[in-house]
Amino acid sequence: SAVISQKPSRDICQRGTSLTIQCQVDSQVTMMFWYRQQPGQSLTLIATANQGSEATYESGFVIDKFPISRPNLTFSTLTVSNMSPEDSSIYLCSVVTTGSHYPDTQYFGPGTRLTVL
Amino acid sequence: GENVEQHPSTLSVQEGDSAVIKCTYSDSASNYFPWYKQELGKRPQLIIDIRSNVGEKKDQRIAVTLNKTAKHFSLHITETQPEDSAVYFCADHNAGNMLTFGGGTRLMVKP
Repeated sequence: SAVISQKPSRDICQRGTSLTIQCQVDSQVTMMFWYRQQPGQSLTLIATANQGSEATYESGFVIDKFPISRPNLTFSTLTVSNMSPEDSSIYLCSVVTTGSHYPDTQYFGPGTRLTVL
Repeated sequence: GENVEQHPSTLSVQEGDSAVIKCTYSDSASNYFPWYKQELGKRPQLIIDIRSNVGEKKDQRIAVTLNKTAKHFSLHITETQPEDSAVYFCADHNAGNMLTFGGGTRLMVKP
C-alpha cells in the first residue's frame, strides 16, 4: 500500500479565513479523493482530484468553497475557503493505487482535524 | 444516488463473543465491498474486502459474506477482543472507483 501524509495534521482557524491542506503520496497513484468526516459521522466524498484538470465535485460541494489542485500523480491540495464553524471536520485524502484488480483498494491519509472558531 | 444502510449503529459485546454488522446497498451494479476500521483519532484502515464474484471471504477472526440477490453484506468478528473496539464502516464501489460509505457501527468489546 502507498504511504500517505497530510499537512497540517490539525489547525484552529478563525471564521472567514481559508486553509489549504496538502496530501503527499510516496508513489504515483491513479486516483486521489478528498473526504469530509464531521464529528461522529461517516465519510462523505467531497471531490475526485484529477491530475491536470479540474476536480469533479459531488453534490453539495462547489469549487468556490473547496478548490482542489492536483499538479502531479503524487500530490494534491484541498482549500477550505471562507470558513465557518460548520466547516469544523476531519478532512481526509484517499488514493487508489494501480493493482491487478478492478476496483482497486482505496487507502486513507491520516486526516486533518480542522476547528473553526 | 447510491445508498448504503448499516446496522446496528452501536454494538456492545462481551470479550470472546461474536459481533455481526450488516449493510444493505441499492445499486445492483456494485461489485466491490470493503470494510474499514477506524480507531479514535486515527484514519480508516481497510480490514477486509470482498468482490462480487465470491460469497464469502475469511481472514483469521474476520469474515465477510455477500448476498448479491438480497443486496446485503455482513462483517463477522469472532472471539472478540478489547482491541477490536472501534468504529467500523462498510462501503460499496460505484463508477469511477468511488466508494459510498455506510453510517458506521461503534463496536465496544467489554473485558
